[in-house]
Amino acid sequence: DAGVIQSPRHEVTEMGQEVTLRCKPISGHDYLFWYRQTMMRGLELLIYFNNNVPIDDSGMPEDRFSAKMPNASFSTLKIQPSEPRDSAVYFCASSRTGWKNTIYFGEGSWLTVV
Amino acid sequence: DAKTTQPPSMDCAEGRAANLPCNHSTISGNEYVYWYRQIHSQGPQYIIHGLKNNETNEMASLIITEDRKSSTLILPHATLRDTAVYYCIVRVDTTGNQFYFGTGTSLTVIP
Repeated sequence: DAGVIQSPRHEVTEMGQEVTLRCKPISGHDYLFWYRQTMMRGLELLIYFNNNVPIDDSGMPEDRFSAKMPNASFSTLKIQPSEPRDSAVYFCASSRTGWKNTIYFGEGSWLTVV
Repeated sequence: DAKTTQPPSMDCAEGRAANLPCNHSTISGNEYVYWYRQIHSQGPQYIIHGLKNNETNEMASLIITEDRKSSTLILPHATLRDTAVYYCIVRVDTTGNQFYFGTGTSLTVIP
């Protein structure tokens, strides 16, 4: 299995620009999670989907953040407009109903907003 | 989900067993104990989980006390590649239920 695939791995952008992070979950997994990691706040759950439907977005910091999952094999996390405080590592993770109930993470997207 | 308490850092000599403790004194009867680790620059990786019995897999062993208020992750023969941050999480074992990661224990394996 290829694992959770994220892109881009690294991105540097200027404040005010739109940023789109992409995720391909493990095939057959019906849950998809977006996490953010910073030194100050650690790993935070932003939003998760079940069968492509957003279930809990209470961790999304503000309206500048949005996430979509148009099909079972693709999700995006968009920040518009980006700010320096959005600089972090963004992880996508997926899991499958009833199988260990564990989640599997991608390698992360390292975002720097200058 | 119950909160966990872990020491912020530990050292272990290469080849020796690494014993990582976790306190979860407010754990509920239906909450499992999970361990993940995060090697620098990588995503968190699942290690092991259990409810009340001790568990062992190819990576580690998990020892849960009889009252379930604490547990220990054991890496039997630590290698340099085991240097990572180790997270202890307790949660109800329901698919989709969120994993909340604390600050974990930073384990350094020393040559």
